[in-house]
Amino acid sequence: ETGVTQTPRHLVMGMTNKKSLKCEQHLGHNAMYWYKQSAKKPLELMFVYSLEERVENNSVPSRFSPECPNSSHLFLHLHTLQPEDSALYLCASSQATKQPQHFGDGTRLSIL
Amino acid sequence: DQQVKQNSPSLSVQEGRISILNCDYTNSMFDYFLWYKKYPAEGPTFLISISSIKDKNEDGRFTVFLNKSAKHLSLHIVPSQPGDSAVYFCAASAPSNTGKLIFGQGTTLQVKP
Repeated sequence: ETGVTQTPRHLVMGMTNKKSLKCEQHLGHNAMYWYKQSAKKPLELMFVYSLEERVENNSVPSRFSPECPNSSHLFLHLHTLQPEDSALYLCASSQATKQPQHFGDGTRLSIL
Repeated sequence: DQQVKQNSPSLSVQEGRISILNCDYTNSMFDYFLWYKKYPAEGPTFLISISSIKDKNEDGRFTVFLNKSAKHLSLHIVPSQPGDSAVYFCAASAPSNTGKLIFGQGTTLQVKP
């Protein structure tokens, strides 16, 4: 399997639930990213990991908690989300932080 | 304040003709620019990029032009094909080394047979 794989593709959760989004890349890349795309808004960077170290946190609320256990896997742990957090969450990876990013197909998240 | 803008939400072009997608930016420190294409229910796919030291980069039917003085870049697709119908995003890289990309809102291209 190649490319960037995200699971689940769709997730519906209540505001008090805890869930995690998973991203896996099979490209041998060293950098991984989380983006959020809300309706009618541009993609917005959330976090950047380079060589498993977080190098960018774009003022994201603490109810979103990223984890990068190794260079192939990236998680986004979700806790006590709000309805406005409903969006498409996209994961991406790149060989280095100044190289083109390759995206997964995203997780469509709905908060009830 | 949006640093990368795609002012045309949509564009319709006849098959075989040229498609020109435009993008403007405000931060003169951006040093790397990219174009992505997105089909429904899929993630964005990287198309082509350009460094700020160049003014043109070509890859097959796709050419990106950069005008730094005008803070403007464009993507030319020629000839356009129905399979090119998608949403196109331009993105700019901040001068830091974190890989942060700033995206435009996207332009929906429809290529009519």
